[in-house]
Amino acid sequence: AQSVAQPEDQVNVAEGNPLTVKCTYSVSGNPYLFWYVQYPNRGLQFLLKYITGDNLVKGSYGFEAEFNKSQTSFHLKKPSALVSDSALYFCAVRDMEGPGRLYFGRGTQLTVWP
Amino acid sequence: EAGVAQSPRYKIIEKRQSVAFWCNPISGHATLYWYQQILGQGPKLLIQFQNNGVVDDSQLPKDRFSAERLKGVDSTLKIQPAKLEDSAVYLCASSSKTARYYEQYFGPGTRLTVT
Repeated sequence: AQSVAQPEDQVNVAEGNPLTVKCTYSVSGNPYLFWYVQYPNRGLQFLLKYITGDNLVKGSYGFEAEFNKSQTSFHLKKPSALVSDSALYFCAVRDMEGPGRLYFGRGTQLTVWP
Repeated sequence: EAGVAQSPRYKIIEKRQSVAFWCNPISGHATLYWYQQILGQGPKLLIQFQNNGVVDDSQLPKDRFSAERLKGVDSTLKIQPAKLEDSAVYLCASSSKTARYYEQYFGPGTRLTVT
């Protein structure tokens, strides 16, 4: 079965500092991985995805994620955090059998303080 | 382009009552999803439609939940009768072409409170 783990419920970082939101996954076969962000009272918004190719994936709003197959990780990163990045972040993995269901992690609340 | 539309945004009902949620996906998106997001958890897929056909409803509690997408465009999710544990945000999402390789676009969700 496919699964995703986000080991940190909360991440706090000062504005201007680099940020990392961690994600590990468990899949059979090659993983298709996604990051979504959720702002209060809004739906999830797509940030980036890894399908194949370069292990460093660049996405929206200056975010990037590093795919590490040996560590089964797909950590979200940003070189310089903004207060406006404060939100709930979800990692997800796609089930490659059948219709391709997305399995989401529990989410990590990122707070960037000024 | 317009995003995924959902209504209502909020709903409060008593247990054993029924409720319905509506979703209109992004124009041209063939695949439509309904998710349940319980507080403190990630979204969980309830049902996936490809055009007007169901392709995955394995996690839908069929004794009380039903969904339809009759004309392959908008969709309705119904709960009858509701239980306290159904309190959650119900998210609708859509994607174009083949679901596997394309990101999903989410609506703002309907927050359901069952008392």
